[in-house]
Amino acid sequence: AQTVTQSQPEMSVQEAETVTLSCTYDTSESDYYLFWYKQPPSRQMILVIRQEAYKQQNATENRFSVNFQKAAKSFSLKISDSQLGDAAMYFCAYGGATNKLIFGTGTLLAVQP
Amino acid sequence: EPEVTQTPSHQVTQMGQEVILRCVPISNHLYFYWYRQILGQKVEFLVSFYNNEISEKSEIFDDQFSVERPDGSNFTLKIRSTKLEDSAMYFCASSLYLVGGDGYTFGSGTRLTVV
Repeated sequence: AQTVTQSQPEMSVQEAETVTLSCTYDTSESDYYLFWYKQPPSRQMILVIRQEAYKQQNATENRFSVNFQKAAKSFSLKISDSQLGDAAMYFCAYGGATNKLIFGTGTLLAVQP
Repeated sequence: EPEVTQTPSHQVTQMGQEVILRCVPISNHLYFYWYRQILGQKVEFLVSFYNNEISEKSEIFDDQFSVERPDGSNFTLKIRSTKLEDSAMYFCASSLYLVGGDGYTFGSGTRLTVV
């Protein structure tokens, strides 16, 4: 069975600085997708970025980018120029052949002014 | 931008009562899902639904739970005889393709409190 591990329960970053959130996963599938979701205090789940496993190029969405290391089964999220509105819970998620998402336990990101 | 709409946003129910959580997925989406998040814990898959039938369900999704797409727009989750441990945030989601296509679009959730 697939698993997703987020080893950082909490992180803190200064406004305008860069922070990296870690995620590792385990799977025997060769074709899959990885996602980062943001959950602000409203508790809505917002897709931040997605990565196809077959693509070697790391995905980028404005200030958000990933470092995808397929062999190491690592999928970290980098947030550049952090803003106060980035403060939220961030979940890493795996999507494979079964069409369901498997989530990690989340990292609570605080942004200090 | 199209949204997944969930109602109600918060529901309080007595233990043992039945509740129905409602969702309106994005209109052209084909795959529908329910997830649950107990406060402070991770988001857990409950069930996926495609072509008017359940395509996959988790161990959590036992006989207490059922899903239905009663018409062309609504997607419901029914919980029979609610228990205290059913208190959680319930998220509906939909996707046009299988999970990798564009990811899911989640609704804003229904907070269920069982007292």
